[in-house]
Formats: sequence, structure tokens, C-alpha cells
Amino acid sequence: DVKVTQSSRYLVKRTGEKVFLECVQDMDHENMFWYRQDPGLGLRLIYFSYDVKMKEKGDIPEGYSVSREKKERFSLILESASTNQTSMYLCASSLRVAGANVLTFGAGSRLTVL
Amino acid sequence: QKEVEQNSGPLSVPEGAIASLNCTYSDRGSQSFFWYRQYSGKSPELIMSIYSNGDKEDGRFTAQLNKASQYVSLLIRDSQPSDSATYLCAPGGTSGTYKYIFGTGTRLKVLA
Repeated sequence: DVKVTQSSRYLVKRTGEKVFLECVQDMDHENMFWYRQDPGLGLRLIYFSYDVKMKEKGDIPEGYSVSREKKERFSLILESASTNQTSMYLCASSLRVAGANVLTFGAGSRLTVL
Repeated sequence: QKEVEQNSGPLSVPEGAIASLNCTYSDRGSQSFFWYRQYSGKSPELIMSIYSNGDKEDGRFTAQLNKASQYVSLLIRDSQPSDSATYLCAPGGTSGTYKYIFGTGTRLKVLA
């Protein structure tokens, strides 16, 4: 089975701190995604990547950056965390099949910014 | 207009009834559609995919697609309390893009 592993299940950070969320997948998937999920707002796409060193903005990229130096790893970076970034963050990966990707998700990282 | 629209619910149905979940999308170029189920506190998991107009059945689940109306639905027959979850609709995107977005999801409650 494809496994998508997110390094931290729960994090508590302070406003202004730099936050790294790590995601690793073990099935050689080309595509990787970062979403945040908030009650009533569903899953919102932050960034995605279809290849090493490639990245594209999703619908809500402001306040976030990403890094994909290796195929299996996709990192989400909050340069200066703010309280409105308190959320559940979900990483996902898929094969590169344009228009027909099937996503496999990690368990999620719940971030609280105080 | 939102790219993907779902009624947030909750949709409450009695055990054994048919649950009908609906989704509309704006991208006419979308070729494939997916339904994911998300239990409370868990990550989404794929339950159905559909690529052609018409119906696709898998056990108690039936996905229906109407590309002309930009409408996709999920029917759950003989609903069970274990089907209580949030159901997310995701168009697969137009050819040439890997962007993958979801509807906000419909929360289904099956009452025993």
C-alpha cells in the first residue's frame, strides 16, 4: 500500500515562529499536495508539486511556501506563523495522470498557533 | 461561482434508506470525478471514481455523472450507521493540469 507519512501529528507554535511540516511518500508518486482543512471550509489547496523542484500555487498560498528537493518529500513552510494558520494540514500524493489523479492522504498534522 | 459545490448538510437518513449526495462543478473540461469519504478525525479515502456519463455501481454505492449538466452524484443504498461520514466530491481536473480541488463535503448521518 502507498504510505504517506506526515512527520508531526500535533504541533503547538507561537506567533511569528517558523514552522516546517514534512511529508514523505514511499510509492514513487510524481504529484504531491498540501491542503488545509477547516470546519465549514472543506479541503483547500495550498500548493502542489508535479515534479522535483516544481511547485504551483493552489487556492490559498499566501503565508506559505513549499520545498520539493527529492521526489518522495514535500515540505510546507510557514515563514512566520499566525493564529489564522491554526488548522489541520493534510498532505497527499498521486501518480501523474492528468485529470485523473487518485490521491492518497497522510494522517494529517494539527497545528495550533498561539 | 465556486468550482465545486456540495450541500454541506447534515443529511440525515434512517438506516436502510437510500442516501443521495450531489455535487456540481464549473470546469466543463473535467474528465474524471472522484468521491472520497472522510470519517471524523481521519483522512479522506477514495470510495468511487467515474469517468463516463451514466451510472457506475460498486456494491452499495452508485456514482452518477452528467457532464452536460456538470453534475455528479453518489447514491448509497441500504445506508448503515457506519456510512456516517463526510463525503467529498473532487473533479479530476482538465487534461494538462494536476491541480486537484475538492468540494466542501456533505456530512451524512445515518440514524439507527
